[in-house]
Amino acid sequence: GAVVSQHPSRVICKSGTSVKIECRSLDFQATTMFWYRQFPKQSLMLMATSNEGSKATYEQGVEKDKFLINHASLTLSTLTVTSAHPEDSSFYICSATVSTDTQYFGPGTRLTVL
Amino acid sequence: KNEVEQSPQNLTAQEGEFITINCSYSVGISALHWLQQHPGGGIVSLFMLSSGKKKHGRLIATINIQEKHSSLHITASHPRDSAVYICAPVSGGSNYKLTFGKGTLLTVNP
Repeated sequence: GAVVSQHPSRVICKSGTSVKIECRSLDFQATTMFWYRQFPKQSLMLMATSNEGSKATYEQGVEKDKFLINHASLTLSTLTVTSAHPEDSSFYICSATVSTDTQYFGPGTRLTVL
Repeated sequence: KNEVEQSPQNLTAQEGEFITINCSYSVGISALHWLQQHPGGGIVSLFMLSSGKKKHGRLIATINIQEKHSSLHITASHPRDSAVYICAPVSGGSNYKLTFGKGTLLTVNP
């Protein structure tokens, strides 16, 4: 089956630093990748939609200059949290889709900003 | 008003019981996912369906597009089924955007 990986799975950083999270589709080429955020006991919230070779589409309320998304190839998308602050601490999940409605989810990255 | 409503929010069952989780949505959709999220956070897509009924092992999912309602059933529940189950309709169009319910926390006791 289709596998999506994320790296790192867990990261702890100091306030003000930037953190990069990678999302890879391991055995298929993803036309679209999605980035989600989940706060404790909350539902997932879509942050942005990313298509290879084009600018990401951000959801309302998500700062594009703070959450930089690069989708350099059909198998890799990166999310960089710039100048992270404690309120950015969350669980970040990516998903990838091919050409149907099916989405394949990564295992998630737990970010803790001290 | 939430676009996706799940019920119940929490469900505790004894091993072997038949489980039903319901989902009602108000957004227009092309399909709907049922997702399973374990305590570690990882998410697995259990089903993606656009009509009728699908079965996989002890899991059954149904959807009624006209009534904007879907159900997830678990037969002969087991403690390893304990997880959060999330209903996620897929909006129409080319971007396959998901809207998520708040999830149902299922605990199956031995």
